[in-house]
Amino acid sequence: DVKVTQSSRYLVKRTGEKVFLECVQDMDHENMFWYRQDPGLGLRLIYFSYDVKMKEKGDIPEGYSVSREKKERFSLILESASTNQTSMYLCASSLLALAGLAFNEQYFGPGTRLTVT
Amino acid sequence: QQQVKQSPQSLIVQKGGISIINCAYENTAFDYFPWYQQFPGKGPALLIAIRPDVSEKKEGRFTISFNKSAKQFSLHIMDSQPGDSATYFCAARGGANSKLTFGKGITLSVRP
Repeated sequence: DVKVTQSSRYLVKRTGEKVFLECVQDMDHENMFWYRQDPGLGLRLIYFSYDVKMKEKGDIPEGYSVSREKKERFSLILESASTNQTSMYLCASSLLALAGLAFNEQYFGPGTRLTVT
Repeated sequence: QQQVKQSPQSLIVQKGGISIINCAYENTAFDYFPWYQQFPGKGPALLIAIRPDVSEKKEGRFTISFNKSAKQFSLHIMDSQPGDSATYFCAARGGANSKLTFGKGITLSVRP
């Protein structure tokens, strides 16, 4: 079974704090993703990574950074947390899809509900 | 710019009925169209996916219908059950190994 684990289910931080959200996958997947989920806005991609030390901006990267030092681990960093970053954060991973005919499923973790006060 | 639009925003169906969720897309470069299902407290999980060269794909009670000319695709859940109550996201992929663009999601409630 593919497993994507996230370091915390619930997290409460204060405005201005530096926040680290950790994600680990155990299936040797090349791709890893960070999304945030908000009511009425669906899933929005923050950052993704195709390989170790590689990162690509998603649709809403402002206020976030990422780190991928090892293949199995992808970290999301909020340099200075703000109240508008209160959200559910979801990590996902997938195999690399080299051929257009292949669809490689994204496997999601259970999410981290972050509250910034 | 919302590239994948879902409708309706919410859906209530009686047990045994048919649930239909629609999605429309704009980008003709999209090459894969998956549906994800999310239960409360869980991350989304792939339900079913279709390529644009196929007009329909069925897996058990779940069917995707795809209309390339209209740039629309839909999820049909036959014989809907209370256990199908969840949030459903349609998505589209912009080419091999590119990111997924998700719709906003729809909450389905199946009444006993």
